[in-house]
Amino acid sequence: QVQLVQSGAEVKKPGSSVKVSCKASGGTFSSYTISWVRQAPGQGLEWMGRIIPILGIANYAQKFQGRVTITADKSTSTAYMELSSLRSEDTAVYYCARVYYDSSGTLYFDYWGQGTLVTVSS
Amino acid sequence: EIVLTQSPGTLSLSPGERATLSCRASQSVSSSYLAWYQQKPGQAPRLLIYGASSRATGIPDRFSGSGSGTDFTLTISRLEPEDFAVYYCQQYGSSPPAWTFGQGTKVEIK
Repeated sequence: QVQLVQSGAEVKKPGSSVKVSCKASGGTFSSYTISWVRQAPGQGLEWMGRIIPILGIANYAQKFQGRVTITADKSTSTAYMELSSLRSEDTAVYYCARVYYDSSGTLYFDYWGQGTLVTVSS
Repeated sequence: EIVLTQSPGTLSLSPGERATLSCRASQSVSSSYLAWYQQKPGQAPRLLIYGASSRATGIPDRFSGSGSGTDFTLTISRLEPEDFAVYYCQQYGSSPPAWTFGQGTKVEIK
């Protein structure tokens, strides 16, 4: 059973950065792809980017290019999402999720972290 | 970028009724890459349907997905009290690799 446990809530000043962690257990972390999704208060889900730890390759949504960095530490089975130049609109719950590719070629997010609330306020 | 538009925004129904949720894509989407999620307040999303029509592990058979191309549907045959939630469709595009979500449909108790 895969479990994703995220770091705790953060309060940040505008212009600063935040780094959220997502520690995986169960399964083989190196074979995962981890995506990050955020949800502003009362809003929908927004994909931010993903990392393939075994390859060390990350891809980002165009909206966040240049402001988000997603990394992974295979030794600790932990993925990280760092968002810089924070503004009030970045106040949201940030989720990590495992991307699963099954043998028939389907693709979906099967396990999710519990979410991390990031509040950006002066 | 493919845009997913879900309708209606809110669906007001009573327990026992049938719910039909729509997800329309701005261009054709591979069925293999179309998924549906349920989200309850204060919780992370939960996978319901993948590959447009396959139920995820542990999902009751009152949930079904259908569709292809640009039009996809999530049907809840008979609403149970625990089904009142927000539902999102999601698709994956490979060039460049990216996922998008619909804006969500809230199923509320009438």
